[in-house]
Parts: sequence; structure tokens; C-alpha cells
Amino acid sequence: DVKVTQSSRYLVKRTGEKVFLECVQDMDHENMFWYRQDPGLGLRLIYFSYDVKMKEKGDIPEGYSVSREKKERFSLILESASTNQTSMYLCASSLVVPPNYGYTFGSGTRLTVV
Amino acid sequence: DAKTTQPTSMDCAEGRAANLPCNHSTISGNEYVYWYRQIHSQGPQYIIHGLKNNETNEMASLIITEDRKSSTLILPHATLRDTAVYYCIVRIYNQGGKLIFGQGTELSVKP
Repeated sequence: DVKVTQSSRYLVKRTGEKVFLECVQDMDHENMFWYRQDPGLGLRLIYFSYDVKMKEKGDIPEGYSVSREKKERFSLILESASTNQTSMYLCASSLVVPPNYGYTFGSGTRLTVV
Repeated sequence: DAKTTQPTSMDCAEGRAANLPCNHSTISGNEYVYWYRQIHSQGPQYIIHGLKNNETNEMASLIITEDRKSSTLILPHATLRDTAVYYCIVRIYNQGGKLIFGQGTELSVKP
């Protein structure tokens, strides 16, 4: 089975800290995605990448950056964490050629910024 | 914006079929309909997808209308573990292939 692994299940950080959320997939997928999920707002796309060193802004990129130095790893960076970035963060990966069996999501990282 | 509309919530009795509707009236000819579900505190899980023919797998069946403007996900014998939020998604066909989620349907399976 394809696995998407997020490095932390729960994370507590202080306002102003630089935060790294790591995501690793083991199926040689080209595409990787970062979403955040908030009550009443659903899942919103932050950034995605369709190749190493490539990135595209999603719907809510402000306050975030990403890094994809290796195909299997996609990092989400909060340059200076703020309380409004408290959220559930979900990473996903997929093959690039549609149709496919779909996207595979990690279990999520629940980040609290205090 | 999401290109789909779904009821906010539905109930289903355990052991009965759960039929979850989705409207996607602006779907393009090369777009697929995907269904995912998200059990509480987990990441979304792929269920099934289709273009225009009905599809069935070990988890569910997908019925797409002939005009492709709506679809129904069918869980033939719902169990308590099927309680989740179900998302109907139209896949945008571009280089990024990103999924855009709507609000989904919260399905509660009751004993």
C-alpha cells in the first residue's frame, strides 16, 4: 500500500517560531500537496508540487512556504508561526497521469500555536 | 471553489444501504468524479472514482447519471465504521491535478 507519512501527529509551537512540517511518501509519486483543515472551512490547499524543486501556490499560501528537494519528501514551512495557523495539516500525494486510484493522504499533523 | 454540492448531513440505519447524492452540473467532459471519506481525526481516504460509467469496488458503488450532472455513492450495507464525512470531488485536469474539496456530507450510521 502507498504510504504517506507525516512526521508528527501533534505539535505545539510558540508564536514567532519557525515550524517545519515534514511529509514523506514511498510510492514514487510525482505530485504532493499540503492542505489545512479547519471546522466549517473544510480542506483548503496551501501549496502543491508536481516535481522536485517545483512548487505552485494553492488557495491560501500566505504565511507558508514549501520545499521539495527530493521526490519523496515535501516540507511545509511556517516562517513565523501565528495563532491563526493553529489547524490540522494534511499532506497528500498522487501520480500525475489521470485517471488513477486517487490521492493518498497522511494521517495529519494537528498544530497548535500558542 | 468546489464544483460540487452535497447535503450537509445524512443518517442511515446500520445494515441498510446509504445513498449519498452529489450534484456537479458544470462538470467538463474530461473531468472525473472522485469520492473520498474522512473518518474523524484521520486523513481522507479514497473510495472510488468514475468518468461516465457506473463503477463498483469492494467499498462502494458509484452511479453517474447519463448527463453526468450528478452522481450517487452507494454503501450497500452500512456499518457503524462508515460514519464519516464523505466528499464528492470533480478532478480538475491540469498539470497540478489538485483536488478541491467542498464541505462534504456527514454520514451518521446509527444502530
